[in-house]
Amino acid sequence: RKEVEQDPGPFNVPEGATVAFNCTYSNSASQSFFWYRQDCRKEPKLLMSVYSSGNEDGRFTAQLNRASQYISLLIRDSKLSDSATYLCVVNMPISSGSARQLTFGSGTQLTVLP
Amino acid sequence: ETGVTQSPTHLIKTRGQQVTLRCSSQSGHNTVSWYQQALGQGPQFIFQYYREEENGRGNFPPRFSGLQFPNYSSELNVNALELDDSALYLCASSLGVSGGETQYFGPGTRLLVL
Repeated sequence: RKEVEQDPGPFNVPEGATVAFNCTYSNSASQSFFWYRQDCRKEPKLLMSVYSSGNEDGRFTAQLNRASQYISLLIRDSKLSDSATYLCVVNMPISSGSARQLTFGSGTQLTVLP
Repeated sequence: ETGVTQSPTHLIKTRGQQVTLRCSSQSGHNTVSWYQQALGQGPQFIFQYYREEENGRGNFPPRFSGLQFPNYSSELNVNALELDDSALYLCASSLGVSGGETQYFGPGTRLLVL
């Protein structure tokens, strides 16, 4: 079982649609949670952190359910510029050393169509 | 831009060769993490350096090694290259290792092993 699992998609939606991405993680010792966005052939960029209370940034809403080990991202009123791969990311302990590592899901590809 | 730079941008090597990739962290950041991203996958954690010491390692063989310098820049070395080492190599810098810090990614080095 992968440590972070997300639906690979692809999701093809029309402009203006609402789209939801889901993600589950396996390590209950995980402390921090993020959504990153990665454009084609570019590096990942932080979209938003995810908190248990839920958080919103404009058209984007992220939710965390620690009991279910489940993370979600909702995009409202989709724009063409939202087309990208969305990576669910969990900060969890590394087995060796005292560090914590970012563990990425495989990403969900979104294409917003005109 | 994140202020994290990587060199070279692209590299072609043959099996059995050795390669060194370089990363300059964002000003003030003392932690560098390296990731390997194969096509269609999320980034996989290789290792992390904090204040010039390896602070944690993912599931990669010893032929993957690294260094961090006093100015916090870093190198990733891969010996005895294999075809499966072909990937995008990303470094990310952050301040500290508590787990909640945002990691800022460089643009990556694309390595092709023939």
